[in-house]
Amino acid sequence: KAGVTQTPRYLIKTRGQQVTLSCSPISGHRSVSWYQQTPGQGLQFLFEYFSETQRNKGNFPGRFSGRQFSNSRSEMNVSTLELGDSALYLCASTDGGLEGPDTQYFGPGTRLTVL
Amino acid sequence: GNSVTQMEGPVTLSEEAFLTINCTYTATGYPSLFWYVQYPGEGLQLLLKATKADDKGSNKGFEATYRKETTSFHLEKGSVQVSDSAVYFCALSDSARQLTFGSGTQLTVLP
Repeated sequence: KAGVTQTPRYLIKTRGQQVTLSCSPISGHRSVSWYQQTPGQGLQFLFEYFSETQRNKGNFPGRFSGRQFSNSRSEMNVSTLELGDSALYLCASTDGGLEGPDTQYFGPGTRLTVL
Repeated sequence: GNSVTQMEGPVTLSEEAFLTINCTYTATGYPSLFWYVQYPGEGLQLLLKATKADDKGSNKGFEATYRKETTSFHLEKGSVQVSDSAVYFCALSDSARQLTFGSGTQLTVLP
């Protein structure tokens, strides 16, 4: 099976712009989670989607949003970019079992640089 | 809330040395525990996992045992190779399906 794919791999934006990142999960996986990785804060959970519904959300401002499509592909959007949004954004997928935690498989990430 | 505390790095070892990276956690309930590895410029790769107390996860010569009494999940390898150089993350996942990560430990193995 193909792994989790993320596009684009690299992005450069300027402050105030908005950005959309895309994630395609492993075939058959219905749950997609997003994480932000920075040198200062480490890996932090953004949100999780399952069957097109947000099931869980981390402690990030409303500028960070996401959605999931019927084919389980997911996008996250960051509006009004700030310098501090520069990070590696990682997407992970699981088969989304409804009974407890599953193993999450990660994509290669999108490196966002905000100038 | 949940938290994971990892041994501070960086760790530098010679090839064939024994590796231990300490990991302790705080969580309510019975979380699953994971070790992920990140190579430069890449995402996270699952290294091993354990889902209940006394389970031992193992992969590629790495091992870790879920110790509920000490809330620990230490990573060990008997003989490291240069190719093991990477950043290692300990993580837990609870019923909310949200991974909580440690700060990561940079491992460098010298030939």
